[in-house]
Amino acid sequence: KNEVEQSPQNLTAQEGEFITINCSYSVGISALHWLQQHPGGGIVSLFMLSSGKKKHGRLIATINIQEKHSSLHITASHPRDSAVYICGLTADPRQLTFGSGTQLTVLP
Amino acid sequence: NAGVTQTPKFRVLKTGQSMTLLCAQDMNHEYMYWYRQDPGMGLRLIHYSVGEGTTAKGEVPDGYNVSRLKKQNFLLGLESAAPSQTSVYFCASSYSFQGLFSNQPQHFGDGTRLSIL
Repeated sequence: KNEVEQSPQNLTAQEGEFITINCSYSVGISALHWLQQHPGGGIVSLFMLSSGKKKHGRLIATINIQEKHSSLHITASHPRDSAVYICGLTADPRQLTFGSGTQLTVLP
Repeated sequence: NAGVTQTPKFRVLKTGQSMTLLCAQDMNHEYMYWYRQDPGMGLRLIHYSVGEGTTAKGEVPDGYNVSRLKKQNFLLGLESAAPSQTSVYFCASSYSFQGLFSNQPQHFGDGTRLSIL
């Protein structure tokens, strides 16, 4: 089905680098989600957005509805940002679909 | 503030055995969800509930049953476990169905690692 595609699948960066993770989707959506899954397995919702841009600390999420594309940016990356980042979408009626995730490793 | 609590955290079953996974939330959320997460597949929605006494199928409901007898609890049952159900199961809850009519995010439990031999 692959309604949500993330790239890259794996990303290694040096501490301090600017990081971008991309998410493309193929259906009309009500909302797009970014989740963070810690190395221990716990999942935290980072952003839910349907237009424009949202910012929380060093994390920024953007979405382009026309191009069906979203990006998650991390500024001044830190080893504690190492995690799996998951993109997902909500579509009518009550469909929730998630990508397979991007494994981010930030080296000190 | 416990949030979303899943029990058990780990379980090993033999093929054909049955078990129930319990999810409890203390945030008075109407919506609750069960997902499974498999390598390379991402999170897949099994079943969800829109409120006490109501449930609905998600993307991969076959082989699972659910019940929501109390608003704070959402149970996931495997009647006859199969090796294909080996996975990590996550429960989540939210005020409304994610992104529809609300800007409130889902809250996830810590997961249950289930192995079927």
